[in-house]
Amino acid sequence: SQQGEEDPQALSIQEGENATMNCSYKTSINNLQWYRQNSGRGLVHLILIRSNEREKHSGRLRVTLDTSKKSSSLLITASRAADTASYFCATVGGNQFYFGTGTSLTVIP
Amino acid sequence: EAGVAQSPRYKIIEKRQSVAFWCNPISGHATLYWYQQILGQGPKLLIQFQNNGVVDDSQLPKDRFSAERLKGVDSTLKIQPAKLEDSAVYLCASSLGSGFGVQPQHFGDGTRLSIL
Repeated sequence: SQQGEEDPQALSIQEGENATMNCSYKTSINNLQWYRQNSGRGLVHLILIRSNEREKHSGRLRVTLDTSKKSSSLLITASRAADTASYFCATVGGNQFYFGTGTSLTVIP
Repeated sequence: EAGVAQSPRYKIIEKRQSVAFWCNPISGHATLYWYQQILGQGPKLLIQFQNNGVVDDSQLPKDRFSAERLKGVDSTLKIQPAKLEDSAVYLCASSLGSGFGVQPQHFGDGTRLSIL
């Protein structure tokens, strides 16, 4: 399976701290996407990084991609209570689209 | 712009009954997806439509699940008969354009299905 796996499964930090979550996958990809899901809601697209890119920024988000290690990381800087959610990576390869297992982030005010 | 609309938000049925979910994608979005999300897991793609044609349904349990997209706009997903393991949230998403996975997907809030 190409499904990504996030690490850690759960993360709890204080407001203002940085949060880092990782995604590992198994086969070659065209791009990798990160999504956020608040409890009881649908997923919201955060950022897309192509296989030929190594790093991408969007506001307080920084995503890195290492295709040689088949891994990606999402860094949220200066976290806020509103960042509390589950975060999923999604890998796109060929005609396959797989979501990972998710990291549950809790930001304590 | 209006988001992806799904109904109902919640549904409770007994096993072996049938159920249907409805999705209205964002206007102009050619691609529509149905996902199943079991509690504590990531969404699993069930079926992808490009306009009103099926692009991928490899993970759709075709003996009990069916889906259609009428006139390339609204879509319905049906389960008949339902099993206990079908308890999950069913998410609909849409994206602009035809390139697979190159456009962000926009999700509805899903239908939470409970099977008794």
